[in-house]
Amino acid sequence: GAGVSQSPSNKVTEKGKDVELRCDPISGHTALYWYRQSLGQGLEFLIYFQGNSAPDKSGLPSDRFSAERTGGSVSTLTIQRTQQEDSAVYLCASSYLAGVRYNEQFFGPGTRLTVL
Amino acid sequence: ELKVEQNPLFLSMQEGKNYTIYCNYSTTSDRLYWYRQDPGKSLESLFVLLSNGAVKQEGRLMASLDTKARLSTLHITAAVHDLSATYFCAVGFIVIQGAQKLVFGQGTRLTINP
Repeated sequence: GAGVSQSPSNKVTEKGKDVELRCDPISGHTALYWYRQSLGQGLEFLIYFQGNSAPDKSGLPSDRFSAERTGGSVSTLTIQRTQQEDSAVYLCASSYLAGVRYNEQFFGPGTRLTVL
Repeated sequence: ELKVEQNPLFLSMQEGKNYTIYCNYSTTSDRLYWYRQDPGKSLESLFVLLSNGAVKQEGRLMASLDTKARLSTLHITAAVHDLSATYFCAVGFIVIQGAQKLVFGQGTRLTINP
């Protein structure tokens, strides 16, 4: 079956521009997560959604970052006024909330963001 | 603050040898995950360990969890070149409504030489 998909796979932008990263989770997965992988910080948790709700936004690095999810499916991570330190691979994951492999998160291929 | 520490961070070994990667974490959790990442690729789930004493094996890899010691190990038996990758452990913490966030270790870059 289809896994988690993300688009674009690569994004190069200029400092100060806004970018939108998209995640399409596995069908039926109610939980969706965003992580960031960078050389300096490793893999860090950003935000999660239960349905369309994001109860805790404290993991987002700054107020330039926002995320939304609509229809309990696709999610968009938006970075406004990008800075060079935003350069990283942004990974999306999704999971069921019950089942044999409880809460196991399945990761998408990531979006590599480069801010020039 | 939760910390997840792996060691070693870099491991170069010969085919046929055995080795162990260690994952220590600082706060109580009974959910420990191991992932593999190949260069330029995403994370592939290897093992899910959900209780103290859990042991899982897949081919030449075996993972275990000791929640009292807050330690998980990933043991490689008779390594082969195809196992070269970066391995991450991650500790799961339940957030509200049953979702959990993963806190990752730094990763162990494993290189297996012929």
